[in-house]
Amino acid sequence: EAAVTQSPRNKVAVTGGKVTLSCNQTNNHNNMYWYRQDTGHGLRLIHYSYGAGSTEKGDIPDGYKASRPSQENFSLILELATPSQTSVYFCASGLWGGSYEQYFGPGTRLTVL
Amino acid sequence: GDQVEQSPSALSLHEGTGSALRCNFTTTMRAVQWFQQNSRGSLINLFYLASGTKENGRLKSTFNSKESYSTLHIRDAQLEDSGTYFCAEPYGSSGNKLIFGIGTLLSVKP
Repeated sequence: EAAVTQSPRNKVAVTGGKVTLSCNQTNNHNNMYWYRQDTGHGLRLIHYSYGAGSTEKGDIPDGYKASRPSQENFSLILELATPSQTSVYFCASGLWGGSYEQYFGPGTRLTVL
Repeated sequence: GDQVEQSPSALSLHEGTGSALRCNFTTTMRAVQWFQQNSRGSLINLFYLASGTKENGRLKSTFNSKESYSTLHIRDAQLEDSGTYFCAEPYGSSGNKLIFGIGTLLSVKP
C-alpha cells in the first residue's frame, strides 16, 4: 500500500490561477518535502516541514507557499500560477534524526498555460 | 555550496552485461541515497547508505566517505533496469534535506 500519495496526478491550470497540490503520508514521518523536477536540473527543494504547523523555505521557494495542517498532510500552493511553474512535482516524507532517508510520492504533472 | 555530480550522463548496455554509475560529492558525505526513476516517472528507493556496501539482487552500492563518492553497480542488466538513476546527498545543518544529481540515463537493449 502506497505510503506517500499525491493528488491530483495531472493538472492543467491557467496563468494567474491558483493551484493547490496535496500530499498525504502514512509513514508517520515528521518531515515532509516538496520538490520539482525539470530537465537538466534533477530534483530541487521548494518547501519542507518539520511537523504540523511548520513550513520552511527550501532552495527555490519563490512563487510557492506551503501548508502543513497535520502530520499526514502537506500542501503546495501556487497563488498566481505562471508558465515557468510547469513541471513535475514530487512530495516526500522522512524521519527527523537518525536516518536521512526520504520516501517519495508518484509525482504530479502540472502544466500552466 | 554542496554539489552532486553524476557520471556518466547516459549509458547504454546490452542485456546480461553490467556497469557502474558514479556519484561525486564536493563536501564531506553524511550518507547517500540512490533512486531509479522508471518509465512511469516514479522514484524508486534503491539504497540508502551511511557507510560501506549494500547489495540487493543484481545491484550493489558502495559508499566512500573519505574520498566523497558513491558507486552503483548493475550486473546482468535486464530491460526493466532502463530508466534514470539519481543519487542524492543529505545537506543542511541537520541533514534533513536532499540535494540531487541530474541523473544517469540508462538504456538496456536486447
